[in-house]
Amino acid sequence: GESVGLHLPTLSVQEGDNSIINCAYSNSASDYFIWYKQESGKGPQFIIDIRSNMDKRQGQRVTVLLNKTVKHLSLQIAATQPGDSAVYFCAEEGGGNEKLTFGTGTRLTIIP
Amino acid sequence: ETGVTQSPTHLIKTRGQQVTLRCSSQSGHNTVSWYQQALGQGPQFIFQYYREEENGRGNFPPRFSGLQFPNYSSELNVNALELDDSALYLCASSPRGGQYNEQFFGPGTRLTVL
Repeated sequence: GESVGLHLPTLSVQEGDNSIINCAYSNSASDYFIWYKQESGKGPQFIIDIRSNMDKRQGQRVTVLLNKTVKHLSLQIAATQPGDSAVYFCAEEGGGNEKLTFGTGTRLTIIP
Repeated sequence: ETGVTQSPTHLIKTRGQQVTLRCSSQSGHNTVSWYQQALGQGPQFIFQYYREEENGRGNFPPRFSGLQFPNYSSELNVNALELDDSALYLCASSPRGGQYNEQFFGPGTRLTVL
């Protein structure tokens, strides 16, 4: 069945360093991937997305990499700030039905 | 532009009761999806509504039902509540018109079943 999983449940990073959050997915039919950030008591907030015809996409301080060969997705956050502390989810969508399948999440903690 | 709103923010019910959660979609969005997020887990897809019709359903029993109204707002109804229904219920809206439509989430309703 389809599933999206994350390699690490927690990640602690020094303020100012770069963070890398990884995600594995299993559904080969997925063609759209999204990273969400969820702060305590809030709903998931869109960070960046990537379509399956791309292998890299950059935003402001964030980069998403997609490796379809090994079904792996990563989120890179440059120069992490205290406000980056949150749980990060990768999600996949396939087949055009807009159903998102989420992983368990990685909690990112920024050390001052 | 108004974002996705949900009500109530918190709710406490007892086993066997029924609950209705509400969601107002973002302006211009005609598709609403509902997700259940248990503590420490990622959101799980319940169902999606488009033009007042259910358009896809996840692995949830029939006691989870929904509605979408002409103004695209939506309700999630859960009958015969069970303890395991305690979770954060998230609503997300998106503009329908093809693939790769970003879903915008509301703040969620925290449901506690005692």
